[in-house]
Amino acid sequence: EVQLVESGGGLVQPGGSLRLSCAASGFTFSSSAMSWVRQAPGKGLEWVSTVSGSGMSTYYADSVKGRFTVSRDNSKHTVYLQMNSLRDDDTAEYYCATGLQDYGDLAYWGQGTLVTVSA
Amino acid sequence: QSALTQPASVSGSPGQSITISCSGTSSDVGSYNLVSWYQQHPGKAPKLIIYEVNKRPSGVSNRFSGSQSDNTASLTISGLQAEDEADYYCCSYAGGSTIFVFGTGTKVTVL
Repeated sequence: EVQLVESGGGLVQPGGSLRLSCAASGFTFSSSAMSWVRQAPGKGLEWVSTVSGSGMSTYYADSVKGRFTVSRDNSKHTVYLQMNSLRDDDTAEYYCATGLQDYGDLAYWGQGTLVTVSA
Repeated sequence: QSALTQPASVSGSPGQSITISCSGTSSDVGSYNLVSWYQQHPGKAPKLIIYEVNKRPSGVSNRFSGSQSDNTASLTISGLQAEDEADYYCCSYAGGSTIFVFGTGTKVTVL
């Protein structure tokens, strides 16, 4: 059974940093692209970032480019999202997800971790 | 990359069929057969219900079906049930440095 468990969310001041983690199990982790998707309170889904199975390729939404960094440790079956220079509008539930195929869909989702950016 | 356009809300009575549209561009929906649809109940993570335009993952009801014409994808829910009341999002692969672009979301209400 595929399981994705996010952690690391919390309250942070504007301009601060936070690192999210997503522990994966139940599938061939090193062969699977992993993505982060966020949802601001009462709003829709927004793709944030994707990292390839090897970790060599990374992709970012324009809204986070230059501030967020996605990485992975295949030995630990974990993907990370380092978030710097956080802004009020980064407040959201952050989900990690992976698909039936790379870049085509997001079949499996974690339960989410809440990031609140506020003074 | 702009969000795909969906109607804000769609409603129907139990047993009826409803269709949700998802309008994109020739750079996303129109270029790839990689449209997926997600159902999200309040307080829950999204759930994949359609991938590659019209394929259903194992365990998803055959009351859900997908289609695509040019730059617009559609999700049809037939035999509407109370449990179908939820938010629905389309999503497309967008190529280049943008992997996924989501739709604006549609709230489905079962009358």
